[in-house]
Amino acid sequence: GNSVTQMEGPVTLSEEAFLTINCTYTATGYPSLFWYVQYPGEGLQLLLKATKADDKGSNKGFEATYRKETTSFHLEKGSVQVSDSAVYFCALSDSVGGTSYGKLTFGQGTILTVHP
Amino acid sequence: GAVVSQHPSWVICKSGTSVKIECRSLDFQATTMFWYRQFPKQSLMLMATSNEGSKATYEQGVEKDKFLINHASLTLSTLTVTSAHPEDSSFYICSAGGKNNQPQHFGDGTRLSIL
Repeated sequence: GNSVTQMEGPVTLSEEAFLTINCTYTATGYPSLFWYVQYPGEGLQLLLKATKADDKGSNKGFEATYRKETTSFHLEKGSVQVSDSAVYFCALSDSVGGTSYGKLTFGQGTILTVHP
Repeated sequence: GAVVSQHPSWVICKSGTSVKIECRSLDFQATTMFWYRQFPKQSLMLMATSNEGSKATYEQGVEKDKFLINHASLTLSTLTVTSAHPEDSSFYICSAGGKNNQPQHFGDGTRLSIL
């Protein structure tokens, strides 16, 4: 079956530090890959996505590249801010023939805390 | 962009009460919605897939009679926690979308506390 593994947290950084959150996956088909962010007490917000190999998703300074050869989708940001403090989830969506079916498999989540 | 509205955001009720949570897609039609459960500091666990006009598909280990799902229209799915007990206390999140490589959109969640 499908699975997603994220680096264990929590991750604590100072403002303007470089961020990497590792994510690897196992899938039988050709999944789409996502990063979601969850702020305290809220639901999930889509941060970025990639639907095929070598695609790079980017948003708000965050980037992740779909690496099929290493089955990875690591999240990076060059300079984090205090407002980036949240829980980050890597996820994949089943896909057959390039069409996703919506069901998401989540990683365990990584808590990020950024200090001034 | 697409928005999913979830209501209520917070519920506190006595043990034995049934609680209904609504999930609405506000600007798109959703033939499929998903219901998740999240424990503190843990990931989301898919409970069931809600299908418009038909029965929901439950994940293994999720009690169908405990968590009743109704998807009566293309914009509304409801989750009813029947005869709730303290162990049902959790954060419940719905989502919609996800077909054809489009991302799922999530509601803001419902925090359920059973006393």
